[in-house]
Amino acid sequence: ETGVTQTPRHLVMGMTNKKSLKCEQHLGHNAMYWYKQSAKKPLELMFVYNFKEQTENNSVPSRFSPECPNSSHLFLHLHTLQPEDSALYLCASSPGQGGEKLFFGSGTQLSVL
Amino acid sequence: GEDVEQSLFLSVREGDSSVINCTYTDSSSTYLYWYKQEPGAGLQLLTYIFSNMDMKQDQRLTVLLNKKDKHLSLRIADTQTGDSAIYFCAEKDSGNTGKLIFGQGTTLQVKP
Repeated sequence: ETGVTQTPRHLVMGMTNKKSLKCEQHLGHNAMYWYKQSAKKPLELMFVYNFKEQTENNSVPSRFSPECPNSSHLFLHLHTLQPEDSALYLCASSPGQGGEKLFFGSGTQLSVL
Repeated sequence: GEDVEQSLFLSVREGDSSVINCTYTDSSSTYLYWYKQEPGAGLQLLTYIFSNMDMKQDQRLTVLLNKKDKHLSLRIADTQTGDSAIYFCAEKDSGNTGKLIFGQGTTLQVKP
C-alpha cells in the first residue's frame, strides 16, 4: 500500500470518448503530480499542483485536462485522445512542492483505439 | 537541457552484487534518487542522496555519488530474484517545481 490510489487500473477508450482518471492520496501531502510513462521513454512530467493550485503545465496538449478539487484528490480528464497517447499514467504526491520524496500510485494503463 | 542516462539492461546471478549506473547533466541538482518499478506497479522510492554526500548505505543498498563526474550508482548486495525490476535514476530539477528528471530505467534480471 503506497498511500496513493489510482483508478481505474486499466482503461480502453476510443478517440471520441471522454473519460477521467482519478487519484487519491492518503498521506497528508500538499503537492500532487501527473506523469506519463511511455514504452522506451523516460517518465514525462505533465502537471504539478501545490495546495490545489496548478504550478506547472509541461506543454501538455489541451485534450488532457487536470482538476485538483483538494490536496487529496487529482483527476485527469481525457477527451479526443490519439493512439499515441496510449501509456501508463502515474499519479504522485509529495509533502511539499519541492518534490524531495515522490510517492507514486500504481498507475492507469491507458489504451486509445 | 537536463538529461539523465542509464544503461537499459543488467543481468546477474542470485547472490551476486548488482551495480546500476547513471549519469546526469544538471550540476546544481540537490537530490538524486533511485526508484524501483515492478511489473504492473508504480514507482517505489528506494533511496535518495543529498548532493553534498558521496555515499549512503541502507541495508543491502549502497548509493555512490561522484559529483565531479556527475555519476550515480546503486549497488545491491546479495541480489535476490525479488530484486528483478526496472530501476530508475532521477535528479531533482534545480528549480523549485518538484520536477524530477528520470532516466529511461535499467531492467535488472536476476537469474537463479
